[in-house]
Amino acid sequence: GIQVEQSPPDLILQEGANSTLRCNFSDSVNNLQWFHQNPWGQLINLFYIPSGTKQNGRLSATTVATERYSLLYISSSQTTDSGVYFCAGTKAAGNKLTFGGGTRVLVKP
Amino acid sequence: DSGVTQTPKHLITATGQRVTLRCSPRSGDLSVYWYQQSLDQGLQFLIQYYNGEERAKGNILERFSAQQFPDLHSELNLSSLELGDSALYFCASSPRAYNEQFFGPGTRLTVL
Repeated sequence: GIQVEQSPPDLILQEGANSTLRCNFSDSVNNLQWFHQNPWGQLINLFYIPSGTKQNGRLSATTVATERYSLLYISSSQTTDSGVYFCAGTKAAGNKLTFGGGTRVLVKP
Repeated sequence: DSGVTQTPKHLITATGQRVTLRCSPRSGDLSVYWYQQSLDQGLQFLIQYYNGEERAKGNILERFSAQQFPDLHSELNLSSLELGDSALYFCASSPRAYNEQFFGPGTRLTVL
């Protein structure tokens, strides 16, 4: 199966700072998704982004499918952005999501 | 709120017991997926059903089984429970077999 590597594993930010999270895949993927797991354990869909760039408020994501990586940008971070961010993908024509190990983000006031 | 519902939210049981976790997909979604999140294994795919039929299988133990009913809700049955089965179990759904997946709130299982 595919391997998904996320970096950095941990990130501590001051409120208002910007950051970039990275996700590398060992093979071509489709159905690439970014999630935020909040402190209550809920997995919240952020982006469905097999390729290209999308923006949603202070968050944006870019996937370069040919180079097998995706980036998640958090701008003007807020304490509510704290939690764990996961990327996940499925192999081409596959259906099971393979998750990375996550990036744990702590935003300090 | 993703539209995927899971019950119960929490479950505490003893080793050797059997439990059933329930999932209702988003309205109109035909595909249901089960995932397990544990501290040592991370988030792992267990099984997928599409319109009532098993579609894909992942790292699902033989002690675990699942099914999807005609109304499209799904149940995950865990039997002969062990301490290591303690985890957060997520259900997800998607419109077809290969679309974006939306996750429910999860069932936190504690085996004592």
